[in-house]
Amino acid sequence: GEDVEQSLFLSVREGDSSVINCTYTDSSSTYLYWYKQEPGAGLQLLTYIFSNMDMKQDQRLTVLLNKKDKHLSLRIADTQTGDSAIYFCADLNQAGTALIFGKGTTLSVSS
Amino acid sequence: DAGVTQSPTHLIKTRGQQVTLRCSPKSGHDTVSWYQQALGQGPQFIFQYYEEEERQRGNFPDRFSGHQFPNYSSELNVNALLLGDSALYLCASRIGVGAYEQYFGPGTRLTVT
Repeated sequence: GEDVEQSLFLSVREGDSSVINCTYTDSSSTYLYWYKQEPGAGLQLLTYIFSNMDMKQDQRLTVLLNKKDKHLSLRIADTQTGDSAIYFCADLNQAGTALIFGKGTTLSVSS
Repeated sequence: DAGVTQSPTHLIKTRGQQVTLRCSPKSGHDTVSWYQQALGQGPQFIFQYYEEEERQRGNFPDRFSGHQFPNYSSELNVNALLLGDSALYLCASRIGVGAYEQYFGPGTRLTVT
């Protein structure tokens, strides 16, 4: 079945760039997403990319998609302490109805 | 513009009891999905409602049921609660079953003792 995998932890210093990686198994994926979850909160949609794109930039966020390798990454430029959270990669299932999530990457930003 | 809202925020129930969680979608959205997020895990899809009908279901037992009302709000019911049902229950909404932007509510934290 469809699956999404992410590394579990990333630690960076304030001001550095963060790169969070994700791999997925569904070769027919149409949309791929990045969500952010702060402690005790719901999920915030950060950005998403359509499968016919290689890159999408939105302010400090850059998403790169390598369809051949089924690899998605999220780069956060000039990382701030407020960026500390869990970041989830998600794939829209083949029916287009449900999101398949990874287990999340905990980003820790130290000052 | 109100986002997705959920109630209650927290809930404590005993094994064997039944629980009802509520969700109001973002303004203008007509499709509601429910997800279960166990501690340390990513959310897992329970089911989706559109036009007051369950459109797709994830790998969850029949103890999990739902309902959508004419105003697009939704309820998630869980019967015969198990300890393993303890989780954060998230509601997400979007416009139509095929829309690609889904917005999540803050969730309901259910603890089963």
